[in-house]
Amino acid sequence: EIVLTQSPATLSLSPGERATLSCRASHSINTYVAWYQQKPGQAPRLLIYDASSRATGIPPRFTGSGSGTDFSLTISSLEPEDVAVYYCQQRTTWPYNFGQGTKLEI
Amino acid sequence: QVHLQQSGPGLVRPSGTLSLTCVVSDGSITTNNWWTWLRQSPGKGLESIAEIYHDGVTNYDPSLRSRLTISLDKSKNQFSLRLTSVTAADTAVYYCARDFCSDMNCPEGLDSWGQGTLVTVSS
Repeated sequence: EIVLTQSPATLSLSPGERATLSCRASHSINTYVAWYQQKPGQAPRLLIYDASSRATGIPPRFTGSGSGTDFSLTISSLEPEDVAVYYCQQRTTWPYNFGQGTKLEI
Repeated sequence: QVHLQQSGPGLVRPSGTLSLTCVVSDGSITTNNWWTWLRQSPGKGLESIAEIYHDGVTNYDPSLRSRLTISLDKSKNQFSLRLTSVTAADTAVYYCARDFCSDMNCPEGLDSWGQGTLVTVSS
């Protein structure tokens, strides 16, 4: 089983600041990672797939990077609407499991 | 992206069967995509539990395989989940989702989601 570890558990920043969220895999997963945003009471929303490809309708301030075991999601200039829990998901071995999430507070 | 509308009971008795349906609109279920069920609980977080390809190929979470069935109904453009012998540990919010295929890779990510159904297992 591939274990995904996200850090930090909680990130508190101010509007306009840059956020960097980390996801580390227990084994190499090439670039087969997706990132999701989940706001309270809503289903998750796909932000990034294949480590760095932005999903349809996602603004360019969301960028993904990494390969192998270390991945990052960067939000270049935080807006109040970015308050959410962010999850990474490995896409190399079924079942495609998720990290435990990073809660972003603004 | 497509629109997914879930339906099914919110309360299931212990040892009973959980049945959920996801109707797909603004797109066909027969296109080159996977169709997935996930669940989310405070204790286990987000879990992918079953998926089915448009041609009927399935994958199941190994820990749930003996109790799970995912199926497609092409005539109704919908897919369904059936989980038998439920216990309190199966209490969760259940989501259906589309795992889309791009020209480069298949599948790529869960780009369309249902609204979620809170299923509580209790007598």
